Amino acid sequence: DTGVSQNPRHKITKRGQNVTFRCDPISEHNRLYWYRQTLGQGPEFLTYFQNEAQLEKSRLLSDRFSAERPKGSFSTLEIQRTEQGDSAMYLCASSRRRQANTEAFFGQGTRLTVV
Amino acid sequence: RKEVEQDPGPFNVPEGATVAFNCTYSNSASQSFFWYRQDCRKEPKLLMSVYSSGNEDGRFTAQLNRASQYISLLIRDSKLSDSATYLCVVNTNGGATNKLIFGTGTLLAVQP
Repeated sequence: DTGVSQNPRHKITKRGQNVTFRCDPISEHNRLYWYRQTLGQGPEFLTYFQNEAQLEKSRLLSDRFSAERPKGSFSTLEIQRTEQGDSAMYLCASSRRRQANTEAFFGQGTRLTVV
Repeated sequence: RKEVEQDPGPFNVPEGATVAFNCTYSNSASQSFFWYRQDCRKEPKLLMSVYSSGNEDGRFTAQLNRASQYISLLIRDSKLSDSATYLCVVNTNGGATNKLIFGTGTLLAVQP
């Protein structure tokens, strides 16, 4: 399968625990995005990488959230001291830089439940 | 004001109906526009890009009005399989910034 891969698919954690999610983008894609989606809402932008450089972070991303893409390939999103409000679907997407069209392909997401 | 606004619906239409979705965006510097489709508990998938001249793909027609900062999607001859959430997406790229901003989505339910 050459699509975007996310692991784990589901994560249940106790409030206050740390969690880490992984995203493996499509291999030739240099752009990688993280989004968060809650029920009834569209995906909310969290952060964006071009290669290994994190070029933008949303103001929604508190200091408990950190993302890395150390070699410009896979990425990890870590949430420290999880809160119930962090429960959501975390989506990763990747795209290849083109001049005009930046279609993004999404992974199936990691569903986080904080209890 | 949200950067991308859509009517959340739901739109309940009979099979064969024509349905139109509208979307407005606030950033006049936005350069690329898309409609994504999201089935229940699945990831969003690209339905079609939206070009300045308008474009059509089978039963689907997308239009862009840059002056009004308005995007539309028209679905003709609705099928049961069209039932999904349709997400309006705007790419605010410029300089180092390149991010896709999603609307809340419009839920379409096509009834037999």
